[in-house]
Amino acid sequence: SAVISQKPSRDICQRGTSLTIQCQVDSQVTMMFWYRQQPGQSLTLIATANQGSEATYESGFVIDKFPISRPNLTFSTLTVSNMSPEDSSIYLCSVPRDGTYEQYFGPGTRLTVT
Amino acid sequence: AQTVTQSQPEMSVQEAETVTLSCTYDTSESDYYLFWYKQPPSRQMILVIRQEAYKQQNATENRFSVNFQKAAKSFSLKISDSQLGDAAMYFCACRNYGGATNKLIFGTGTLLAVQP
Repeated sequence: SAVISQKPSRDICQRGTSLTIQCQVDSQVTMMFWYRQQPGQSLTLIATANQGSEATYESGFVIDKFPISRPNLTFSTLTVSNMSPEDSSIYLCSVPRDGTYEQYFGPGTRLTVT
Repeated sequence: AQTVTQSQPEMSVQEAETVTLSCTYDTSESDYYLFWYKQPPSRQMILVIRQEAYKQQNATENRFSVNFQKAAKSFSLKISDSQLGDAAMYFCACRNYGGATNKLIFGTGTLLAVQP
């Protein structure tokens, strides 16, 4: 199974600032997914990041607010820009399991915006 | 559009007893996968069990089994001999087989408490 780590595990940020979340996988993967889980809610896909191409954003999410980098096959970053309290959520990185339609998830980053 | 519905926000079960978590889904595709994920307080999402829609036999993983009713678009999770470590949020999810709509769509979750 893939081992996924995320940094930071949690952070408290002031409104108007930006936070970059890192996702590291112990194996090479083509696709990486970023999800948001608002308090008490389900997971919502923000974007899909393929190495060497622009990320594909879901409806309601834009690149200016959530820029994503994917410099290689084991690493990605998600930036939450110009944060507001509504951005307080858990952000999770996920990768597909080779040869299946299953997905592994990282431990998440708990973000609180004050 | 794909939707996944979990109508039980919270459930409780006594240790060693059996509990069933409900899930219904809607998809226009004929080939898809269904999953149950567990999210304990540590936040780590863990895959509990999966079911391929083309398989009639219900999936089983140790104490976890599903009741897959394709015509009714129902996919419930049964946990037998419940243990304290089963306490978590459980998410039902659906993913179409391929194409542009093959995103993993989650339900709203069921918070399971296990009473000693």
